[in-house]
Amino acid sequence: DAGITQSPRYKITETGRQVTLMCHQTWSHSYMFWYRQDLGHGLRLIYYSAAADITDKGEVPDGYVVSRSKTENFPLTLESATRSQTSVYFCASSGTVSSYEQYFGPGTRLTVT
Amino acid sequence: KNEVEQSPQNLTAQEGEFITINCSYSVGISALHWLQQHPGGGIVSLFMLSSGKKKHGRLIATINIQEKHSSLHITASHPRDSAVYICAVRPNTGNQFYFGTGTSLTVIP
Repeated sequence: DAGITQSPRYKITETGRQVTLMCHQTWSHSYMFWYRQDLGHGLRLIYYSAAADITDKGEVPDGYVVSRSKTENFPLTLESATRSQTSVYFCASSGTVSSYEQYFGPGTRLTVT
Repeated sequence: KNEVEQSPQNLTAQEGEFITINCSYSVGISALHWLQQHPGGGIVSLFMLSSGKKKHGRLIATINIQEKHSSLHITASHPRDSAVYICAVRPNTGNQFYFGTGTSLTVIP
């Protein structure tokens, strides 16, 4: 089915481990985004990508790495997970800058112990 | 620093009531996005606005660019409208949206 998917949906990991969250979209959207959602905060942008091989930092990029070798995939890596990175992570995509409207994946709940 | 303020934070209504959720922002924007997040966590786009008013079913969104304010109205509210409603703005400069913390709506039968 067309859409935007994330995997895994739930993940528990230990402090210091590397974790990769996957995001895949089937619309060939140019823009993709990674957000984290925490109690008391609105969604906060971690990184975004305007096209394959083009990425840029958002509001809270520290501790995260992204890549985008293919238009449809935008993985987010926590190189050395910390407890403060316990959160719900959402991936989103949008077709073009001018359309603006974002479509969100179902989210990944990550717990770092 | 959150440039987007939503009110109220929490709202409980009886089924059938008219509901208004407000969003204020502090910077010039090119677009404002209303989203809905259900208890299961999924986030759905409701409206994208840059001016005026949009309507979809029982939902109406308005924006006043001069006053830096938007409202989301729900007419004839229903328990299935229970969700968190999120406002996000895209400033004139930059490529990212800034999100409010959401308004949690509960509609009681």
